Amino acid sequence: QKEVEQDPGPLSVPEGAIVSLNCTYSNSAFQYFMWYRQYSRKGPELLMYTYSSGNKEDGRFTAQVDKSSKYISLFIRDSQPSDSATYLCAMSDGQAGTALIFGKGTTLSVSS
Amino acid sequence: EPEVTQTPSHQVTQMGQEVILRCVPISNHLYFYWYRQILGQKVEFLVSFYNNEISEKSEIFDDQFSVERPDGSNFTLKIRSTKLEDSAMYFCASSADRLNTGELFFGEGSRLTVL
Repeated sequence: QKEVEQDPGPLSVPEGAIVSLNCTYSNSAFQYFMWYRQYSRKGPELLMYTYSSGNKEDGRFTAQVDKSSKYISLFIRDSQPSDSATYLCAMSDGQAGTALIFGKGTTLSVSS
Repeated sequence: EPEVTQTPSHQVTQMGQEVILRCVPISNHLYFYWYRQILGQKVEFLVSFYNNEISEKSEIFDDQFSVERPDGSNFTLKIRSTKLEDSAMYFCASSADRLNTGELFFGEGSRLTVL
């Protein structure tokens, strides 16, 4: 069963806060874990991806994957109003051309 | 910067009519996808396309749907006889990589409204 669960929020934080976004999943075949950002009525935009378990950092963003717990996280440090968007987690088994399975997305609002 | 372009941005149609949504993927990409997002719902996979044939399709992609790459640049999604529940945002995406690492580039979407 390919299912990804994500708390839809909304999540409201003040500027400068640390934000934690999370997803859980059930399919142990997933190997690649992605975070996309989606602004209202726009297409998803890839923020970062991680292969298997571990951490990956890109500027203010850190992605963590714990395959043993089937749990992934995205941390945003020093959040900015421009970070206000919907954040979608997505996963795949790594086979070329197969589906990305998305979470429902968490809507984040960062106030100045 | 290369981007995926989609037309139309919004289409309104009557139930039972045929609709064609068009996409121009990024030129050196090899894999092409259609996803859809019903308002307030998850982004859902419809179909992937590689080397002029379907790689994978979901349960949503039934006989009413078809895809085509009629020339070297366009990638189309046809819905033969639209239903009310086909109302959604349809996203085209493309990728260059052979592993499905998630590096998909999405277009801005085509909003389909079926009345």
